[in-house]
Amino acid sequence: GQNIDQPTEMTATEGAIVQINCTYQTSGFNGLFWYQQHAGEAPTFLSYNVLDGLEEKGRFSSFLSRSKGYSYLLLKELQMKDSASYLCAVMDSNYQLIWGAGTKLIIKP
Amino acid sequence: GAVVSQHPSWVICKSGTSVKIECRSLDFQATTMFWYRQFPKQSLMLMATSNEGSKATYEQGVEKDKFLINHASLTLSTLTVTSAHPEDSSFYICSARRLAGELNEQFFGPGTRLTVL
Repeated sequence: GQNIDQPTEMTATEGAIVQINCTYQTSGFNGLFWYQQHAGEAPTFLSYNVLDGLEEKGRFSSFLSRSKGYSYLLLKELQMKDSASYLCAVMDSNYQLIWGAGTKLIIKP
Repeated sequence: GAVVSQHPSWVICKSGTSVKIECRSLDFQATTMFWYRQFPKQSLMLMATSNEGSKATYEQGVEKDKFLINHASLTLSTLTVTSAHPEDSSFYICSARRLAGELNEQFFGPGTRLTVL
């Protein structure tokens, strides 16, 4: 079966750094996505990795290891507005997105 | 560019009634649209994939006679929840893939919150 695992909830302090991990097992791989979702809103795109390595985009970075079926999202200089759920999603061989349950990130002042 | 809208953004209806949700690609043509459902604190679940001019492909466990999908044009897909019941209360999100776009691109609508009383 297809499976995406990520922690349910994490807490971090404003200004700090947090790493959200995601492991996956899917039928085929056409890229891994990270989305941010605030309560009551649709997901918004953060990053896309299809090759191994680190992709940096401002305060957010995403890493992928295809051989390990592993990715992480790194958030630096945390701000209160970063409090949200972060969804890991893998596009399988049929170009369908398989979603993780999301990691709720709580930022404390 | 690549904006997707949904209407309505929220709706409350009585049990037994039908509700139609629209998904529009505002500035591009969408050959494929996806309908997702998300229950509180759960991941997005793909309900169906619709291609313009053809019947939708439903995921296992999704009743096609209850969730009617019409994709009549390259910019509009509709999801009708027929004879809605309280257990259908959920957050419904559509996404669209551009005509001649990358297969790994999906642009999401803002979602529709359905509450069935």
